[in-house]
Amino acid sequence: KAGVTQTPRYLIKTRGQQVTLSCSPISGHRSVSWYQQTPGQGLQFLFEYFSETQRNKGNFPGRFSGRQFSNSRSEMNVSTLELGDSALYLCASSLAGGNYGYTFGSGTRLTVV
Amino acid sequence: GESVGLHLPTLSVQEGDNSIINCAYSNSASDYFIWYKQESGKGPQFIIDIRSNMDKRQGQRVTVLLNKTVKHLSLQIAATQPGDSAVYFCAESTNDYKLSFGAGTTVTVRA
Repeated sequence: KAGVTQTPRYLIKTRGQQVTLSCSPISGHRSVSWYQQTPGQGLQFLFEYFSETQRNKGNFPGRFSGRQFSNSRSEMNVSTLELGDSALYLCASSLAGGNYGYTFGSGTRLTVV
Repeated sequence: GESVGLHLPTLSVQEGDNSIINCAYSNSASDYFIWYKQESGKGPQFIIDIRSNMDKRQGQRVTVLLNKTVKHLSLQIAATQPGDSAVYFCAESTNDYKLSFGAGTTVTVRA
């Protein structure tokens, strides 16, 4: 079956702009979570959605937001981009979250210039 | 095989040897643990998981050991192959719908 699909794979944006990233989970999975990966901070949790509801949120500024649609697809948005937002953004799909295992997509590489 | 007693950021292992990657987790309330492998340009790939009611779990060429007393997790890879070269992460969860990741260990397999 198809894995987790993230689009786009690469993105270059200018400081101050905003960006929207998309994630399509594995068919049947209702939990989608987002992570930011940087060389300095490693993998950091952003937020998790299940059935269109955010169940947990990481310690990121309000410029980072997300949502989930009724078909379980999810988007995350970063407004007023800063240079420090350059990172690999990873989406993880799970049947229900919790202890059900998480499958990651290949990520979106965002570069802010 | 080669092992790391404490977490080290890199591990070099001879092809064919067994390797052990260690991870110290932080939250005594964590009840679910996963090992991931990440190759360059790719997302983390699930290797094996273990719940806190278990001490050991085996997969294909891999074994995870959990020591809750000292909050320690290890991943053993048998007969390490060149394709095992990657960064390995341990992750923990307290069933709050998020994973907390360790710093990662870069494994390099020598031919």
